[in-house]
Amino acid sequence: ETGVTQTPRHLVMGMTNKKSLKCEQHLGHNAMYWYKQSAKKPLELMFVYNFKEQTENNSVPSRFSPECPNSSHLFLHLHTLQPEDSALYLCASSQDRTGGFAGNTIYFGEGSWLTVV
Amino acid sequence: DQQVKQNSPSLSVQEGRISILNCDYTNSMFDYFLWYKKYPAEGPTFLISISSIKDKNEDGRFTVFLNKSAKHLSLHIVPSQPGDSAVYFCAASAFGNEKLTFGTGTRLTIIP
Repeated sequence: ETGVTQTPRHLVMGMTNKKSLKCEQHLGHNAMYWYKQSAKKPLELMFVYNFKEQTENNSVPSRFSPECPNSSHLFLHLHTLQPEDSALYLCASSQDRTGGFAGNTIYFGEGSWLTVV
Repeated sequence: DQQVKQNSPSLSVQEGRISILNCDYTNSMFDYFLWYKKYPAEGPTFLISISSIKDKNEDGRFTVFLNKSAKHLSLHIVPSQPGDSAVYFCAASAFGNEKLTFGTGTRLTIIP
């Protein structure tokens, strides 16, 4: 069982739909992240939340709207997406926002495969 | 502008032999490097890391080597096992800007 769970695992949505991706971490971490992985591209950081506060928005279009109601839950609200937004969306968490540095390991969920038609 | 590059999209290695995965970076501010492993339908899992003050870090069958002057790191897996078949991502971060920058990954296939 992974410490970071994401739902749904697969989502197909039309360009006019509104949907949400959900992430929950059971690791007692304070930082949570959304990453995007498109085909043949590196993982791209989208958002960082630390203690529920957004600390990074990596120039993400406003059709992606994150929400972090508490340190354990993270949502990504999707609205009027484009076909090029089809990708694997990965949620992750770490002890604090220095995740990835000096042993502050980032733990990833299994991802949500999004297809925009 | 890709700051972390994995130029080999795929690699096949015989079981029991050594697997060597390579990664190059361009940002001289990077001082911490990580390798993640990803199986299909799963998220990436942390494998091993190295700080820029070291040139080698070993964990069981996995060893990461860092050549700062060449801005190059490599992951060695010895001996390679079928369960090592996965996509391996190299990542880097810089102190003060801890955002992880990932490479595009290398798909390793271990041939029984």
